[in-house]
Amino acid sequence: ETGVTQSPTHLIKTRGQQVTLRCSSQSGHNTVSWYQQALGQGPQFIFQYYREEENGRGNFPPRFSGLQFPNYSSELNVNALELDDSALYLCASSLWRSDTQYFGPGTRLTVL
Amino acid sequence: GQQLNQSPQSMFIQEGEDVSMNCTSSSIFNTWLWYKQEPGEGPVLLIALYKAGELTSNGRLTAQFGITRKDSFLNISASIPSDVGIYFCAAPGSSNTGKLIFGQGTTLQVKP
Repeated sequence: ETGVTQSPTHLIKTRGQQVTLRCSSQSGHNTVSWYQQALGQGPQFIFQYYREEENGRGNFPPRFSGLQFPNYSSELNVNALELDDSALYLCASSLWRSDTQYFGPGTRLTVL
Repeated sequence: GQQLNQSPQSMFIQEGEDVSMNCTSSSIFNTWLWYKQEPGEGPVLLIALYKAGELTSNGRLTAQFGITRKDSFLNISASIPSDVGIYFCAAPGSSNTGKLIFGQGTTLQVKP
């Protein structure tokens, strides 16, 4: 059984740029959720995707957007990067309607 | 909004000691999850609880779903150095968005 994978591991961008982060869900899972984790804090929910559509969204602006593909993999896109976007971005996969989510290793984004 | 309050915030214990931590809320939940996160890694699911009063073990770890459905507890017996990390409780948000709410985390350090 393959776990959740994310790429890249680390990324450095400058303010105003755009970034795309990628996630492959655990085999057998059809739902992907994205979280932002600032240093010293718990993960904060960004949004969830199921059947290639956004199912729910947390308190994040529209410059955070996502995609889910037919193979259930997903992308998180962030436009107009701000310094406060520096964080660990986590992807989690699950079965639809299941509360039990399994996390990937994360992508560390640094915005300079 | 819904919040999870974890305590203690941090613990520094001797190898071999037992550890107890808890998570409380003013809201009722149908699922409680416990994760462990090590530096630079994503959270790893330790135990999932689905029923009030449920007591579930995973090796040296035991977690309980509080009878009131407003709290949960995690115990680690005979701690070892590899137990070091941040332990998070999590529960599903009230809206059907797939959102998990996380506590602030309990940082555990184990002295050999």
